[in-house]
Amino acid sequence: NAGVTQTPKFRVLKTGQSMTLLCAQDMNHEYMYWYRQDPGMGLRLIHYSVGEGTTAKGEVPDGYNVSRLKKQNFLLGLESAAPSQTSVYFCASSYFWPGDTDEQYFGPGTRLTVT
Amino acid sequence: DAKTTQPNSMESNEEEPVHLPCNHSTISGTDYIHWYRQLPSQGPEYVIHGLTSNVNNRMASLAIAEDRKSSTLILHRATLRDAAVYYCILIRVDSNYQLIWGAGTKLIIKP
Repeated sequence: NAGVTQTPKFRVLKTGQSMTLLCAQDMNHEYMYWYRQDPGMGLRLIHYSVGEGTTAKGEVPDGYNVSRLKKQNFLLGLESAAPSQTSVYFCASSYFWPGDTDEQYFGPGTRLTVT
Repeated sequence: DAKTTQPNSMESNEEEPVHLPCNHSTISGTDYIHWYRQLPSQGPEYVIHGLTSNVNNRMASLAIAEDRKSSTLILHRATLRDAAVYYCILIRVDSNYQLIWGAGTKLIIKP
């Protein structure tokens, strides 16, 4: 049981390049989330998914796209990377919406630098 | 939108209790209060959550003010392994899904 895994762990991009971050979970969770964490700040929700084939915008969605073609995978895409997207990206998953009944399980993070 | 405010950092001695405060004066009736912690170079991990009543689990206790505008995470006997950044989060459970993270409190434990 690997939990939540993220690929890659580190990446350096040049401005304007594109890339996709992969998140995978083996807990049969319905909900998945992408966050970014900037130095000295809390996590900010980029996009989330409430089930296979569905996605929704979070707090800071601009410049990112997501897809959830399979229940266990949640992809985060950067079409044209900008230095402002330099950050640590965390993926998380949960079975229910994490209000009263559930908690989020987080991956180890992807450190992205855009030069 | 709701937001949370936490002190930037706190220090405590090992094996003493720690009280970590969080202010959420704009909380709405459908917002749950969650706490997570993040060890260096790791993803956050769940600590505890509540709505109105105080809560206890094996890791910590959560005390929620009667007006729900503030809460306090209590670690009963801090160890060196509790040194982390602690985040107070509001999670909305009505049709307007929101997950609002505070900036976190860095807890330093002195041996």
